[in-house]
Amino acid sequence: SQQGEEDPQALSIQEGENATMNCSYKTSINNLQWYRQNSGRGLVHLILIRSNEREKHSGRLRVTLDTSKKSSSLLITASRAADTASYFCATASLTTSGTYKYIFGTGTRLKVLA
Amino acid sequence: KAGVTQTPRYLIKTRGQQVTLSCSPISGHRSVSWYQQTPGQGLQFLFEYFSETQRNKGNFPGRFSGRQFSNSRSEMNVSTLELGDSALYLCASTPLSSYNEQFFGPGTRLTVL
Repeated sequence: SQQGEEDPQALSIQEGENATMNCSYKTSINNLQWYRQNSGRGLVHLILIRSNEREKHSGRLRVTLDTSKKSSSLLITASRAADTASYFCATASLTTSGTYKYIFGTGTRLKVLA
Repeated sequence: KAGVTQTPRYLIKTRGQQVTLSCSPISGHRSVSWYQQTPGQGLQFLFEYFSETQRNKGNFPGRFSGRQFSNSRSEMNVSTLELGDSALYLCASTPLSSYNEQFFGPGTRLTVL
């Protein structure tokens, strides 16, 4: 079953506006990552935040992590038409065998209107 | 450095047939993971291989299998195809130096008729 649930499922905004997506998960994690997927293609890694971090920035991206609420948010500032894509959160949890297990969220479809 | 490559990119099969998909990871990457993506179920983890050994496995029936070769290239096989196996199959590789970030290939779009 999916661990990450994302909200909203779809988001439509005007170019220049900010877009915020939220992700909730169920178990303890080592880190949480955000990926972007353009129309049925492969996923592109955007940013990784570790469980002991609360906020991270990369260019126009800002990610927050609240481990007490088991939630994360991705903020894209000053959005562009090229940001139109689906965004997924993925949690990485350490398994008993010492490897990492990744679970992806359901995704948010972002549409940026020019 | 070349990215993750997957072949074929598109595939059409009929129910009952079997299919083999191939993935070549980024040079130097030793871990390869496979995912199934469908509109209804999202991205579901299939399995992960590292140094020719399966390290993790998702909740898929035994019809789904995989293997990894000594050059880290990986294949996944689906036998006795069902309509519900129609999906985008994604392969991801991971470098040793930054284990947590996965690099994805473009995927193989499988349609089962």
